[in-house]
Amino acid sequence: AQKVTQAQTEISVVEKEDVTLDCVYETRDTTYYLFWYKQPPSGELVFLIRRNSFDEQNEISGRYSWNFQKSTSSFNFTITASQVVDSAVYFCALSEVGSYNQGGKLIFGQGTELSVKP
Amino acid sequence: DADVTQTPRNRITKTGKRIMLECSQTKGHDRMYWYRQDPGLGLRLIYYSFDVKDINKGEISDGYSVSRQAQAKFSLSLESAIPNQTALYFCATSGKGHPEYEQYFGPGTRLTVT
Repeated sequence: AQKVTQAQTEISVVEKEDVTLDCVYETRDTTYYLFWYKQPPSGELVFLIRRNSFDEQNEISGRYSWNFQKSTSSFNFTITASQVVDSAVYFCALSEVGSYNQGGKLIFGQGTELSVKP
Repeated sequence: DADVTQTPRNRITKTGKRIMLECSQTKGHDRMYWYRQDPGLGLRLIYYSFDVKDINKGEISDGYSVSRQAQAKFSLSLESAIPNQTALYFCATSGKGHPEYEQYFGPGTRLTVT
């Protein structure tokens, strides 16, 4: 069965520190997609990144970077030089592909609440 | 204008009342989803619909029903609300054949059942 685990429930850092949010997933599919979403205090879900299972290249976008390792079934998210505006709940999610009638559903981790203090 | 809208944004209701949450999208997507978010549990899938005539139960469908009135509209009903249905509810859409299966989320509906 598919499962996403974010073992870190809450993380607190001081501004300008680097922080890594862990995500471990389980799936029997060979083709799948992984996502990260940000949920700021206002409550909406903000899409950050998607990665398909055939692309293990790490990605960097400004202060954000993602490390995808199929060997350890992990898709970790690092924020460099954190800022107060990064304070939010971050969700990792897995999407099944499968057949037409099965693909597309998202399985979310429990979320990690990041607090960046000035 | 937002691509995925949800009404109402906030609702307080009493135990036993019937309530409907509505979702509309202008993205032209065929797939629509309802999720519920509880603290510490992430988002869990309630129902999903891959087209107007295709509706499927998700992980936690008990106590909920849905209606896909049109490609652009997907409603979630609580027939007899109970306090443990207090949660943040999200509607999402995705496109058939979209290579990355990316879902687009509405702003959420915060429901409180007293």
